[in-house]
Amino acid sequence: EAGVTQFPSHSVIEKGQTVTLRCDPISGHDNLYWYRRVMGKEIKFLLHFVKESKQDESGMPNNRFLAERTGGTYSTLKVQPAELEDSGVYFCASSQTRTGEQFFGPGTRLTVL
Amino acid sequence: TQLLEQSPQFLSIQEGENLTVYCNSSSVFSSLQWYRQEPGEGPVLLVTVVTGGEVKKLKRLTFQFGDARKDSSLHITAAQPGDTGLYLCAGRPYNFNKFYFGSGTKLNVKP
Repeated sequence: EAGVTQFPSHSVIEKGQTVTLRCDPISGHDNLYWYRRVMGKEIKFLLHFVKESKQDESGMPNNRFLAERTGGTYSTLKVQPAELEDSGVYFCASSQTRTGEQFFGPGTRLTVL
Repeated sequence: TQLLEQSPQFLSIQEGENLTVYCNSSSVFSSLQWYRQEPGEGPVLLVTVVTGGEVKKLKRLTFQFGDARKDSSLHITAAQPGDTGLYLCAGRPYNFNKFYFGSGTKLNVKP
């Protein structure tokens, strides 16, 4: 069974540009989470989808971040326009509601110059 | 303000030694998880503890959840180089379906 995949693995962009990160969860997992780790800090929750609905987006930093999960399958996280402080590693995780165990993807390392 | 404090931040030991990593908070959690992360990969779940005072063992790893559900520890017996990695704790507060992570303990086990 394939695990959680994320694309791209690395992205280097300039301040003011737009970047879209993609997450493909494990098939059949209704729950999808986005997390972020900025340098020197802990992994922080961004938001949680249940199928295509946003269950909790309390961790989204500001309105420059937009997450979608069309059809309840893969999810995208768009940052527009990117700022320097957006640099970090963005993780996606998915889980079944029954078990709650989160499986993490390898992360996307975003560098904003 | 960080909800979960992990200590130590860094630990470098010789193969065969024992070690304990701590995860502390002033908040109460419905459950607490421990993860291990290797470079270039996402965190991998090791264990979930849900009952105050619970002890779980995973080979040479022993996990304990505090009686008050505010803290946890991870003890590794006879550490091996393969145990090297970043260990993370994550707590789930009551009535929240999300986890708060500690900043991690970077363990290096030298052969």
